[in-house]
Amino acid sequence: KNQVEQSPQSLIILEGKNCTLQCNYTVSPFSNLRWYKQDTGRGPVSLTIMTFSENTKSNGRYTATLDADTKQSSLHITASQLSDSASYICVVSAERGSTLGRLYFGRGTQLTVWP
Amino acid sequence: DAGVTQSPTHLIKTRGQQVTLRCSPKSGHDTVSWYQQALGQGPQFIFQYYEEEERQRGNFPDRFSGHQFPNYSSELNVNALLLGDSALYLCASSLRGFNQPQHFGDGTRLSIL
Repeated sequence: KNQVEQSPQSLIILEGKNCTLQCNYTVSPFSNLRWYKQDTGRGPVSLTIMTFSENTKSNGRYTATLDADTKQSSLHITASQLSDSASYICVVSAERGSTLGRLYFGRGTQLTVWP
Repeated sequence: DAGVTQSPTHLIKTRGQQVTLRCSPKSGHDTVSWYQQALGQGPQFIFQYYEEEERQRGNFPDRFSGHQFPNYSSELNVNALLLGDSALYLCASSLRGFNQPQHFGDGTRLSIL
């Protein structure tokens, strides 16, 4: 069964600190892995997309890693800011016979940054 | 350049009614996907449209149907509404292809009384 599991479910950190969010998946055949940030009441916004051959990708203070062998990914946030408070969702795309991939979403990690 | 726009932003219906939600994709995008997001959960895939046809479908009953128009905009229709249909409905657009990023709208918040 294609699944995406994220941990922790929620996380509270102090402003300026770093944190790491985890994602494990069983989606097959794998196409790519994406991290999204979703602010309350808004749609998800893409942070990174990584294919099988990529094992790290950065977007500002966000750095995602991918281990396709163990089917694990992490999202590291450095020097956290109050605006980082949001849900972070791991999404894995499965290849299909057509050119249209299918996306599998995790439940997200709710990050709260305190001043 | 407008991103993905959805309407309405909020909607209140009663059980048994029917609802239509609308989505205009980001300029240049030809593929539209719809998702249901319950409170505190990740989005669940409903279906995907390309070239005015439903190409893929998730585990949703036939009460959920859709349409894509020649200008790539799309509608999601839900019949015989149930209390459990209360959720945020997200539309995402992209170009064809596995590694194309999806751009999401801010969703329609549907509440069933």
